[in-house]
Amino acid sequence: QLQLQESGPGLVRPSETLSLTCTVFAGSISTSGYYWGWIRQPPGRGPEWIGNIYYSGSTFYNPSLESRVTISIDTSTKKISLKLRSVTAADTAVYSCARQLRDCSGGYCYFAEFDYWGQGILVTVSS
Amino acid sequence: QSVLTQPPSASGTPGQRVTISCSGSNFNIGTHSVFWYRQVPGTAPKLLIHRDNQRPSGVPDRFSGSKSGTSASLAISGLQSDDEADYYCAGWDDSLSGNVVFGGGTKLTVL
Repeated sequence: QLQLQESGPGLVRPSETLSLTCTVFAGSISTSGYYWGWIRQPPGRGPEWIGNIYYSGSTFYNPSLESRVTISIDTSTKKISLKLRSVTAADTAVYSCARQLRDCSGGYCYFAEFDYWGQGILVTVSS
Repeated sequence: QSVLTQPPSASGTPGQRVTISCSGSNFNIGTHSVFWYRQVPGTAPKLLIHRDNQRPSGVPDRFSGSKSGTSASLAISGLQSDDEADYYCAGWDDSLSGNVVFGGGTKLTVL
């Protein structure tokens, strides 16, 4: 059974860079058609998709976060990294990684379901 | 403000059938598949429904999804106490350069 685990600091200072890592266990990071995504959930609010990456390195980002986000992948260590620059208190959230299907079955490609999720890690932005 | 709109709360008694709605637009629900997730606080979300009304392996048939136009619904029949959780709808949105969007979530209480 595929497992994902997030790691990183739980506290980040305003204006600094949030850096998190997701490690994939008990499964392949190179499965065709599946991307590795980051999602965050601010306290009391619904989830927000941050972006995702394919094992080849191809990335897609949420347009509202794109200018501050970088997602990278290391297939040799099965790790996916998230960097979010210039953080503010509004970036305080539980950050989760998940595997996401890219569905091209209907002749049009779009990102579909997240089928495996990590437990998530709370990151607080505060001085 | 979430792109997909869900009622913040829903409730039912054991054995009852409850439905949770999710409203969107032609940029998302009206054109693309809807997905439903269940999340018990403090745990990872679990996929309940994909492709509008398909259940992944292992999801009981008490859970069903439907869609009409720009709205979707999740129905839970034979309500059980451990169905108490937060439920989220999600999907692909074509506006701007494309985005995965979620509803704000519905907290289901089993009375």
